[in-house]
Amino acid sequence: LAKTTQPISMDSYEGQEVNITCSHNNIATNDYITWYQQFPSQGPRFIIQGYKTKVTNEVASLFIPADRKSSTLSLPRVSLSDTAVYYCLVGDPGNQGGKLIFGQGTELSVKP
Amino acid sequence: DTAVSQTPKYLVTQMGNDKSIKCEQNLGHDTMYWYKQDSKKFLKIMFSYNNKELIINETVPNRFSPKSPDKAHLNLHINSLELGDSAVYFCASSQTLTQGTEAFFGQGTRLTVV
Repeated sequence: LAKTTQPISMDSYEGQEVNITCSHNNIATNDYITWYQQFPSQGPRFIIQGYKTKVTNEVASLFIPADRKSSTLSLPRVSLSDTAVYYCLVGDPGNQGGKLIFGQGTELSVKP
Repeated sequence: DTAVSQTPKYLVTQMGNDKSIKCEQNLGHDTMYWYKQDSKKFLKIMFSYNNKELIINETVPNRFSPKSPDKAHLNLHINSLELGDSAVYFCASSQTLTQGTEAFFGQGTRLTVV
């Protein structure tokens, strides 16, 4: 399973766009990139998943370059409630027995 | 309605005791999981069940025994609790085994062993 590397922490202010980059140099052909969000005292919550190029939903956008060795989660106009830990995961949904491998995550702090 | 619910939310117990954590999902999913989050916030899978069948057992001590009476429930029983078992335990589910990357998590059970 591909290992991921992401910044341990990031600070931002309300209304700013936040981009969190994740490195996954050993990503395999069948691997997808998935991001989860975890608020204090809650379980992780699925945000977005992609394979290549760009994926957008109502919460975030995910940018994946052609070589797929990294990905960037983009949160538009963050608010205080976006303060959380964001996890980047890489794996083959169909071939990993269903298990998620969580790294250390990025602790995002949004300030007023 | 809570999609994945665990009880209890907090559990404080003494070393050597036996305790259980219950989990239920009302999403109609086939696959359920137990994860452990330690004090450093790392989340590690412990078990996964698919249609009541054990799929993954990630070298967890056999003091930990999951039980799935039906595909909507996956309970975790822990024997002879140790200090190192203190952590937050999360139950999760996914629609199928091959959709494990899109999992729904419960709110967690904070276990403290004293």
